[in-house]
Amino acid sequence: NAGVTQTPKFRVLKTGQSMTLLCAQDMNHEYMYWYRQDPGMGLRLIHYSVGEGTTAKGEVPDGYNVSRLKKQNFLLGLESAAPSQTSVYFCASSDRGETQYFGPGTRLLVL
Amino acid sequence: GNSVTQMEGPVTLSEEAFLTINCTYTATGYPSLFWYVQYPGEGLQLLLKATKADDKGSNKGFEATYRKETTSFHLEKGSVQVSDSAVYFCALRLNQAGTALIFGKGTTLSVSS
Repeated sequence: NAGVTQTPKFRVLKTGQSMTLLCAQDMNHEYMYWYRQDPGMGLRLIHYSVGEGTTAKGEVPDGYNVSRLKKQNFLLGLESAAPSQTSVYFCASSDRGETQYFGPGTRLLVL
Repeated sequence: GNSVTQMEGPVTLSEEAFLTINCTYTATGYPSLFWYVQYPGEGLQLLLKATKADDKGSNKGFEATYRKETTSFHLEKGSVQVSDSAVYFCALRLNQAGTALIFGKGTTLSVSS
């Protein structure tokens, strides 16, 4: 039982490049979330999903897209990376919106 | 709007000192309240939670009581250890299905021996 895993752990992008961050959970949770963590800002919600095939915007969705084609996976895409998207990205999942379980994070540096 | 405010850090303590990290919230309705801990280089782990007024959450010697009258959820520990050095986040969740957590900005705790 791995819990929540994230791929990759670290990535460097040039401005304008695209990439996809993968989140996978093996707890059969309905709800999944993507947050970004920036110094002095805490964690802010980017997008979330309440079930397979559904997604919704969070507090800071601009510049990101998401997909939840399978219940266990939640993908976060950056179509054209910008330096302002340099951050640590955390995925989380929960069952019926209760306690959220977090992945180890992905550090992204956009040059 | 809904928000969480926690004390600015960093907090620097000696081993066995008493710890308090203040957290207050603004929310509609009756949220659930959480403390998460993030050790260096890791993701967030749930430390404790409380789902209704006057509930006390506790874990690993840490405690926090849900105070509706003061809209607070202060984290306390009677005797900190070096291994408690981490970033602590207070968070709330509105009691609606699927809602995400709203976090405070985090408080860095550094404990020295």
